[in-house]
Amino acid sequence: DQQVKQNSPSLSVQEGRISILNCDYTNSMFDYFLWYKKYPAEGPTFLISISSIKDKNEDGRFTVFLNKSAKHLSLHIVPSQPGDSAVYFCAASASVDNYGQNFVFGPGTRLSVLP
Amino acid sequence: GAGVSQSPSNKVTEKGKDVELRCDPISGHTALYWYRQSLGQGLEFLIYFQGNSAPDKSGLPSDRFSAERTGGSVSTLTIQRTQQEDSAVYLCASSLERLAKNIQYFGAGTRLSVL
Repeated sequence: DQQVKQNSPSLSVQEGRISILNCDYTNSMFDYFLWYKKYPAEGPTFLISISSIKDKNEDGRFTVFLNKSAKHLSLHIVPSQPGDSAVYFCAASASVDNYGQNFVFGPGTRLSVLP
Repeated sequence: GAGVSQSPSNKVTEKGKDVELRCDPISGHTALYWYRQSLGQGLEFLIYFQGNSAPDKSGLPSDRFSAERTGGSVSTLTIQRTQQEDSAVYLCASSLERLAKNIQYFGAGTRLSVL
């Protein structure tokens, strides 16, 4: 059973518009969440994170929203740029005695930003 | 090196052969992780090391898979008697320590093709 779900395998957005990538999780022990971006033939790179004590974290064009009651988080990219075209992975972990579980990754969403 | 280095970048092998995949983590990173990404799938956790020890081997898919890490640095993932279903991209990541909030830095991966 997938603990981290990204139900949209792909998403296409026009350049300049907002991209919204969604992630749902089932494990209520998860309290730290990250988004990674992956270009073809490269490893995933860290994008932005959020702790469960917050409901929003912003870094430039990227904002992550966390809804703990719904066990849902989303990544907003605005404005979207063609260079944002990549696969985005949501990941979650639980802080147990400060040594968390390994990160659990979702299956990824492929974002295509059209010029 | 500045980042996580994996070799080879591509490996084609015949069914039944053994393969070794290598990972050089970022200098000073004590935690090292192996993941697998099969076609169209998310990142599947395989094993992690804290120093040279591997407390959690739960993700290894079968006893044909093994990994070791020496000197707290380089790690080798070995797959014996490879099968076609082993074909995937094998990703290595490292982090400063195995703490829930430590970002994992990924290598570019080894693409394994078993014919």
